[in-house]
Amino acid sequence: DSGVTQTPKHLITATGQRVTLRCSPRSGDLSVYWYQQSLDQGLQFLIHYYNGEERAKGNILERFSAQQFPDLHSELNLSSLELGDSALYFCASRSSYNSPLHFGNGTRLTVT
Amino acid sequence: AQKVTQAQTEISVVEKEDVTLDCVYETRDTTYYLFWYKQPPSGELVFLIRRNSFDEQNEISGRYSWNFQKSTSSFNFTITASQVVDSAVYFCALSEGFFTGANSKLTFGKGITLSVRP
Repeated sequence: DSGVTQTPKHLITATGQRVTLRCSPRSGDLSVYWYQQSLDQGLQFLIHYYNGEERAKGNILERFSAQQFPDLHSELNLSSLELGDSALYFCASRSSYNSPLHFGNGTRLTVT
Repeated sequence: AQKVTQAQTEISVVEKEDVTLDCVYETRDTTYYLFWYKQPPSGELVFLIRRNSFDEQNEISGRYSWNFQKSTSSFNFTITASQVVDSAVYFCALSEGFFTGANSKLTFGKGITLSVRP
């Protein structure tokens, strides 16, 4: 158990809809990262938050947004969903810049 | 920009064979960190090992060993006497940005699917 909690585990929704994925980092970790894993693109970095502030953005679409709350949990919002957004979305946290990322079990999103 | 290449996509071995997973990286930083992760069929990503760019000492942990060679920008992973439970996708990852501190992200390779047959 990595200590990172992601909910829900599975999400099935229709094109055009909006969903919210939630992540609770390991206790004490201030950094939260979101990654998307799809068959063709592999593990792609989306966004990084540190203690409530956005620190870096990767290949994140404008339809996607995220935030980190004062209690350090994070949410990834995906809107105007398309079939191609179907993927496994991982949240990870770390305690410092050189420590490993500890990943949650992921949220599998299926857009139909 | 940082890049991680895992040229092998799929490897299939018979149980008890040794297998080496290759990883080659590119970075302009002099200080960086390398990682290996395992993703079993259940889907979670499990951290296996971290190495920093100053430490080229190779490591053995049980049936696992890692060979870090800065001269060839490689960080290879060997499983000795493989077992069926080793079947998984293995990812190599690079984290640079020592001076950007908390901004540093992990860049992952495409992964190697290892199948160990009984």
